[in-house]
Amino acid sequence: GDSVTQMEGPVTLSEEAFLTINCTYTATGYPSLFWYVQYPGEGLQLLLKATKADDKGSNKGFEATYRKETTSFHLEKGSVQVSDSAVYFCALSGRGGSEKLVFGKGTKLTVNP
Amino acid sequence: GAVVSQHPSRVICKSGTSVKIECRSLDFQATTMFWYRQFPKQSLMLMATSNEGSKATYEQGVEKDKFLINHASLTLSTLTVTSAHPEDSSFYICSAVGTGKRYGYTFGSGTRLTVV
Repeated sequence: GDSVTQMEGPVTLSEEAFLTINCTYTATGYPSLFWYVQYPGEGLQLLLKATKADDKGSNKGFEATYRKETTSFHLEKGSVQVSDSAVYFCALSGRGGSEKLVFGKGTKLTVNP
Repeated sequence: GAVVSQHPSRVICKSGTSVKIECRSLDFQATTMFWYRQFPKQSLMLMATSNEGSKATYEQGVEKDKFLINHASLTLSTLTVTSAHPEDSSFYICSAVGTGKRYGYTFGSGTRLTVV
């Protein structure tokens, strides 16, 4: 079945450092790919998404590129802030639009001032 | 943007009682809603998928008689944890998908259930 593998956390960085969180997937066909962010005690918020190969999703300085050849969707940010501290989830869904999301295990990011 | 309201945000109940959690799509019609459970420091585990007007589809290993899901309208789905026990304590999150491509998966803010 479909699956998502995310780099293990936790990740601790200093403010303004460069961030990469690796994500690779296994899926049949051509899934849509997502990054979600969860702040403590809250639900998930969509950070960015990409629906086809070579698409780049971006939001709030974060970006990720859908790489079909390497089945990857790595999350990057050039300069993290303390407010970026959260848990980040990589996820995929089938092409139907209302199919269930398959999540990675999440990566906790802590940014220190 | 699409908004999903989930209530209550926190609930404490006694062992053996039932608890109902509501998930409402406020500004769109949700043809499909998903219910997830999240254990501390772990990922989201899909419990079931519900479509308006039909029975929910439960994931393997989820007790459908214990976790009752009702999706009676295009804007409301409920999860009832029946005869709750301490091991049911967890963070429950709903997600809704609207019609068309305009709205993707929108998540509620979650419900922290503690069974004492």
